[in-house]
Amino acid sequence: EIVLTQSPTTMAASPGEKITITCSASSSISSNYLHWYQQKPGFSPKLLIYRTSNLASGVPARFSGSGSGTSYSLTIGTMEAEDVATYYCQQGSSIIFTFGSGTKLEIK
Amino acid sequence: DVQLQESGPGLVKPSQTVSLTCTVTGISITTGNYRWSWIRQFPGNKLEWIGYIYYSGTITYNPSLTSRTTITRDTSKNQFFLEMNSLTAEDTATYYCAREGGWSYYFDYWGQGTTLTVSS
Repeated sequence: EIVLTQSPTTMAASPGEKITITCSASSSISSNYLHWYQQKPGFSPKLLIYRTSNLASGVPARFSGSGSGTSYSLTIGTMEAEDVATYYCQQGSSIIFTFGSGTKLEIK
Repeated sequence: DVQLQESGPGLVKPSQTVSLTCTVTGISITTGNYRWSWIRQFPGNKLEWIGYIYYSGTITYNPSLTSRTTITRDTSKNQFFLEMNSLTAEDTATYYCAREGGWSYYFDYWGQGTTLTVSS
């Protein structure tokens, strides 16, 4: 099973601030199989970025993703209040799909 | 538009069996190349993939749950189901059904979730 470790666990950002969340895999993953989700309180997860860097439909351009091998990241170019959520990475590389433990993003 | 809706009993007792239903609208679950998954989220927010049923009917389970999990479907009702037995308090979670959107194995549509509490 591929374990995904996210950091930080929790963070707070000011409006307009650039933020980066990292996702580290226990084994190398093709970038085609690393995805990100956004979950707002009380809602189900929503696909944010697929295949490392492709924005899902309707996702604002301030979101971006990058990475390869065992190291991936999600970046919000300019923090907005509506970005308050928990973010999860997910891998589809192995037969057991796994998720990271999540990064809770709050606003200062 | 693709929509998924879970339903279930809400509360079950330890050692019992639960059956959850996912009703899909906007697309047939037999449409090619999609996988229809069950995923659960524990209190504390950890997400665990349970298994999926492929459009062809092929089923794959998370090996950690395969001994007490069964996924089936009713194509006439466009529904798929999760049955889990020998429940314990550790199975208390919100259960989601989701569509897996193709060869990269990402989940592009999710239901709103159904909460299952296992308690006597």
